[in-house]
Amino acid sequence: AQSVTQLDSQVPVFEEAPVELRCNYSSSVSVYLFWYVQYPNQGLQLLLKYLSGSTLVESINGFEAEFNKSQTSFHLRKPSVHISDTAEYFCAVRFPGGNKLTFGTGTQLKVEL
Amino acid sequence: EAQVTQNPRYLITVTGKKLTVTCSQNMNHEYMSWYRQDPGLGLRQIYYSMNVEVTDKGDVPEGYKVSRKEKRNFPLILESPSPNQTSLYFCASSLGSGYDNNEQFFGPGTRLTVL
Repeated sequence: AQSVTQLDSQVPVFEEAPVELRCNYSSSVSVYLFWYVQYPNQGLQLLLKYLSGSTLVESINGFEAEFNKSQTSFHLRKPSVHISDTAEYFCAVRFPGGNKLTFGTGTQLKVEL
Repeated sequence: EAQVTQNPRYLITVTGKKLTVTCSQNMNHEYMSWYRQDPGLGLRQIYYSMNVEVTDKGDVPEGYKVSRKEKRNFPLILESPSPNQTSLYFCASSLGSGYDNNEQFFGPGTRLTVL
């Protein structure tokens, strides 16, 4: 069985400040890792993913996440946030070649002026 | 445009009145899934389907039914809705098993309120 923990339910941050959203997972086998973003009143969009290769993955809008196998973590970071980054962020895992996504409980990022 | 569509987007109903939420995808995906999203609980899988006529329970299937008669459609059926099924529902689809780059695409969501 696999599980995902997002300890921070809400993260308030001022615009242009850095942010880190934490994600830890538990699994007895290798997993693929994902971050999804949900903007207000919208569905989920894939932000970035780690399947293999470089442990640092980046999105087109400045977010990055680093897979750390020893820490079983996949924290999401952005060096300078914008108001438009206000959204809920979900970390998820699935087995390689599998289908089912197991989600964390989500972190609400609120960017303030 | 590749997409997953859901209807209706918003629905208010009363306890016990049967309802169906439709889901359709135009990407020829084999795998489809329903999730419900509740505050503080994230997304939990209700049912999934590996292909036509192949469906199985997810983590929270009680009170729900599904069918997969055609590849593109995967309706969610609530035979006798109850207030604890008030939630935000998402349909998703992906290529299927065996694909590493197996991204799941999500619909826009259906907000259901059961009074």
